[in-house]
Amino acid sequence: GQQVMQIPQYQHVQEGEDFTTYCNSSTTLSNIQWYKQRPGGHPVFLIQLVKSGEVKKQKRLTFQFGEAKKNSSLHITATQTTDVGTYFCNQAGTALIFGKGTTLSVSS
Amino acid sequence: NAGVTQTPKFRILKIGQSMTLQCTQDMNHNYMYWYRQDPGMGLKLIYYSVGAGITDKGEVPNGYNVSRSTTEDFPLRLELAAPSQTSVYFCASSYTPRGDTQYFGPGTRLTVL
Repeated sequence: GQQVMQIPQYQHVQEGEDFTTYCNSSTTLSNIQWYKQRPGGHPVFLIQLVKSGEVKKQKRLTFQFGEAKKNSSLHITATQTTDVGTYFCNQAGTALIFGKGTTLSVSS
Repeated sequence: NAGVTQTPKFRILKIGQSMTLQCTQDMNHNYMYWYRQDPGMGLKLIYYSVGAGITDKGEVPNGYNVSRSTTEDFPLRLELAAPSQTSVYFCASSYTPRGDTQYFGPGTRLTVL
C-alpha cells in the first residue's frame, strides 16, 4: 500500500521556538489531511489540503502541500505549551493510511 | 450531537477472554473505522465499513471481527484476547472516505494480561 512517512518522529523545542514536521509520499497524493492528538486524547482534524502548492494558515500554524503533491509540511511559529502533542498526516481515501506522526514536546 | 462515543473507556482482560468494544455515532455518517494505536506508534486500521451491512478488512484485522447492522453502530469483537492486543482502540466516522474529515471517539484503553 501507499506509504506516508513523517519526519521527524520526535521533536523537543523551547517555548517560543519554531517547529516543522514533514509528510512525504513516494506517490502522488490526492489530498493531505493533518490531525493533532494531545497526550491521552484522540486525533482531532486540523486541516485538509487538495491543490498543488496550496498554503493554508491557522493562527500560528502554516500548512503547505507540495507542487508535486508528494509532500506536505506543518510549521508552527513561536511554539506554546498548548502545541504539545502528536501531529499526524493522512491521505483521505478508502485505504486509510496514517503516518506514525511527529510527537512535539515543548519546555517553558 | 454527541459525535462518536465509545464504551468502555478502560478494560482489563485475561488471556483467552472475549469482549466487544462499542462504537456509536449520531452524525449519520456512512463510513466508520476501527483503529488501534500502540504506545508511541501511529494508527493502524483494523476494519472499516462503508455502510450498514458492509465491512472490510484494514491493515491488521487478525483476531478481530466487526458487524454493521445499523448506520449508527459499529462494534468491534475480540474473541480470544491475547497480550498483543493490548492497545488503545479508536473508532472514527466520516460522511465519505474521500477528502472528508474523520471524527474520532475518545478511545478504549485495553490491557490483556
